[in-house]
Amino acid sequence: KAGVTQTPRYLIKTRGQQVTLSCSPISGHRSVSWYQQTPGQGLQFLFEYFSETQRNKGNFPGRFSGRQFSNSRSEMNVSTLELGDSALYLCASSYRSGTSAPLGSETQYFGPGTRLLVL
Amino acid sequence: AQSVSQHNHHVILSEAASLELGCNYSYGGTVNLFWYVQYPGQHLQLLLKYFSGDPLVKGIKGFEAEFIKSKFSFNLRKPSVQWSDTAEYFCAVNGRNNNDMRFGAGTRLTVKP
Repeated sequence: KAGVTQTPRYLIKTRGQQVTLSCSPISGHRSVSWYQQTPGQGLQFLFEYFSETQRNKGNFPGRFSGRQFSNSRSEMNVSTLELGDSALYLCASSYRSGTSAPLGSETQYFGPGTRLLVL
Repeated sequence: AQSVSQHNHHVILSEAASLELGCNYSYGGTVNLFWYVQYPGQHLQLLLKYFSGDPLVKGIKGFEAEFIKSKFSFNLRKPSVQWSDTAEYFCAVNGRNNNDMRFGAGTRLTVKP
């Protein structure tokens, strides 16, 4: 079974630009979560999508948004990039039996990440 | 707000030594607890998780963790580490009611052969 794939793997942008990252979950997985990893703040939860709807959200500004398509693939968008947005963005997929099941109740499988550098 | 603290930033052990990595959390309600591991050059993966029931949880590769509610702790243990356990270990928690997954800063484990 193919794992979680993320594209692109590396990205360089300048301040003020916007960026879109893509995540393809494991086949059959309906939940996609996004995380930001930085040396200073560590791993932080951005949001989770399930059945094309954002179900859970971390404490990030509105510049960070996402969506999920009917095939469960997800995109994350960051508008008006700031230097502090430089990070490794990780995507994780899980089966997620339903919206009442807590996040993590089904094992999350992580992708390799997209490393974003904002200059 | 919930938070997770991992006390050890970098732990260095010799093979066959016993391991205990500390994890404490701050949260006012019922929580789910996780340990993840990231081996060099590999993706983050789940080691074990606790949702309810027996507070002693066994995971993959001989790891176990004990949930002590009174101490708000979920320490990871392994009786005898191997060189292949060299990795970064992350403790994580989410509240049953808010589903906001919080990770600790991570502990880098180096096992000397």
